[in-house]
Amino acid sequence: KNQVEQSPQSLIILEGKNCTLQCNYTVSPFSNLRWYKQDTGRGPVSLTIMTFSENTKSNGRYTATLDADTKQSSLHITASQLSDSASYICVVTDSWGKLQFGAGTQVVVTP
Amino acid sequence: DTGVSQDPRHKITKRGQNVTFRCDPISEHNRLYWYRQTLGQGPEFLTYFQNEAQLEKSRLLSDRFSAERPKGSFSTLEIQRTEQGDSAMYLCASSPSREIRSEQYFGPGTRLTVT
Repeated sequence: KNQVEQSPQSLIILEGKNCTLQCNYTVSPFSNLRWYKQDTGRGPVSLTIMTFSENTKSNGRYTATLDADTKQSSLHITASQLSDSASYICVVTDSWGKLQFGAGTQVVVTP
Repeated sequence: DTGVSQDPRHKITKRGQNVTFRCDPISEHNRLYWYRQTLGQGPEFLTYFQNEAQLEKSRLLSDRFSAERPKGSFSTLEIQRTEQGDSAMYLCASSPSREIRSEQYFGPGTRLTVT
């Protein structure tokens, strides 16, 4: 069973609207959690990184939250743009440096 | 462009043929990783190098797969006797240090199609 579960699997939103992606993990012991954006046919690019003691991190219109007690994270996209269409991957690193990847949420922003 | 580069970007091959991919990491990054990603899934770890030493290999890396990083700079991933199940995106990433927080920077990937 994957130790990093993301939901929804995909979503379609109208340009200008907000959306929230979810990530639940069971990776232990936990070191940090990253959200990556992956455009079609490209490699993933890091958006945010959070450690155990950080519960929110922003990068422009992207805001990530982390609840290390419940092992949940979310990525909120504000005022979506067409260029936000991509796969968003939640990645959890354990204390030995091993990365566990979620399957990603495919976001499609329509005009 | 000083990012991670991979070559080729796309490769179409017939079943049974051998293929080799190249990854050039960011200069002076001493860690280099290979991942495989199939459609609709996140990347899966294959192997990684600390300088020229291959420190870990996933069980996904069957004996048909071999990776090298001979001088601690660029790396190659070779797949022998390709099978249709090898069709995937092969991603390379590099990171500058052993620190757990150290970010991995991904290349654009090589998409392999085995016909």
